[in-house]
Amino acid sequence: DAKTTQPNSMESNEEEPVHLPCNHSTISGTDYIHWYRQLPSQGPEYVIHGLTSNVNNRMASLAIAEDRKSSTLILHRATLRDAAVYYCILREPETGNTPLVFGKGTRLSVIA
Amino acid sequence: DAGVIQSPRHEVTEMGQEVTLRCKPISGHNSLFWYRQTMMRGLELLIYFNNNVPIDDSGMPEDRFSAKMPNASFSTLKIQPSEPRDSAVYFCASSLFQGGLGTQYFGPGTRLLVL
Repeated sequence: DAKTTQPNSMESNEEEPVHLPCNHSTISGTDYIHWYRQLPSQGPEYVIHGLTSNVNNRMASLAIAEDRKSSTLILHRATLRDAAVYYCILREPETGNTPLVFGKGTRLSVIA
Repeated sequence: DAGVIQSPRHEVTEMGQEVTLRCKPISGHNSLFWYRQTMMRGLELLIYFNNNVPIDDSGMPEDRFSAKMPNASFSTLKIQPSEPRDSAVYFCASSLFQGGLGTQYFGPGTRLLVL
């Protein structure tokens, strides 16, 4: 699997936007970029995914660089409930029945 | 839907005892995954099933670990005998694969402590 690189930790003030970066310079042309997050004492949960175009859903936005070598997960207004470890994961198409490969992720702290 | 259900949520046992972790996937899902999370190694796959058939158990640490999926609604992960190094949080996840990317849904985990 292509490797991703994320900062170990980030901090944000409540109600401020948060930009979580992910580098994936060896991404293949068909790899999808997925984001999961793990809230304290919970299992990981899906956040968003994309291929080339920027994506929005109710939880977050995903901005993908034109060369696809990096992406950014955007939380528009961080709340205390967004404090979690965020994982950026690359997935080949048609791999929905295969495991996720988790890196260390980024631990996001949100300050009130 | 109730989501993925795992039991027990917490287990404390003594070294050498048998431990059985249980998982009920989301109804209709056809893939099931067992992951383990420790501070040292993070989240790692132990084994996964597609349509109740084990596909890859290369992540199972050793013969002390075994997993079964007798039907689409139930899976177990057994450790016999347990050792202190097995202490971790064990997650079960399920997904519906119909071609494509298959979002995985995780249970709340079982926190295992082996004394």
